[in-house]
Amino acid sequence: DQQVKQNSPSLSVQEGRISILNCDYTNSMFDYFLWYKKYPAEGPTFLISISSIKDKNEDGRFTVFLNKSAKHLSLHIVPSQPGDSAVYFCAASRAGGGADGLTFGKGTHLIIQP
Amino acid sequence: EAGVTQFPSHSVIEKGQTVTLRCDPISGHDNLYWYRRVMGKEIKFLLHFVKESKQDESGMPNNRFLAERTGGTYSTLKVQPAELEDSGVYFCASSRVNTGELFFGEGSRLTVL
Repeated sequence: DQQVKQNSPSLSVQEGRISILNCDYTNSMFDYFLWYKKYPAEGPTFLISISSIKDKNEDGRFTVFLNKSAKHLSLHIVPSQPGDSAVYFCAASRAGGGADGLTFGKGTHLIIQP
Repeated sequence: EAGVTQFPSHSVIEKGQTVTLRCDPISGHDNLYWYRRVMGKEIKFLLHFVKESKQDESGMPNNRFLAERTGGTYSTLKVQPAELEDSGVYFCASSRVNTGELFFGEGSRLTVL
């Protein structure tokens, strides 16, 4: 039973436009959410996070939005650049990281078209 | 500062054989994690060390998997005997504090034939 779901396996966006990656979760105990970015043959790299006490966190071109009532979060990248082409994983945890590790989604492959 | 390093990068073994994966975390990182990604699926948590102690091993699939972190530095993950379903990429990650913001290695790809 997947507790973190990324329903879009892939997403194609034109360079310069906004990329929106979505993530849904089922476990109401999750209180900390992260996005990781992964290039081929590399490990995931931490991108941005958000605590459940917030509904938005921004870092440069990257913004994460959290809708707790809907158990939904999204990552916005604007403007999208070619180097943003990668697989993006949504992850969640309890108690700010907790002893039970991160729960990841399956990932969304973002392709930025020139 | 060196990142998390994993060895080997790729291992091909036959069913029933043994494989040992190694992870060297970032120096000074007490928290060390093992994760696994089976083809096209989510990255799944296996276990978490704090220094040399196993903080949580709830994600370990079965007793064919044995993880150690003697001395609280590098860690090994042994699979014995390997089965076909063990194929995947095994990621190691480390962090100074347990916040979820992890530094991952490049992964060790295991192929069991």
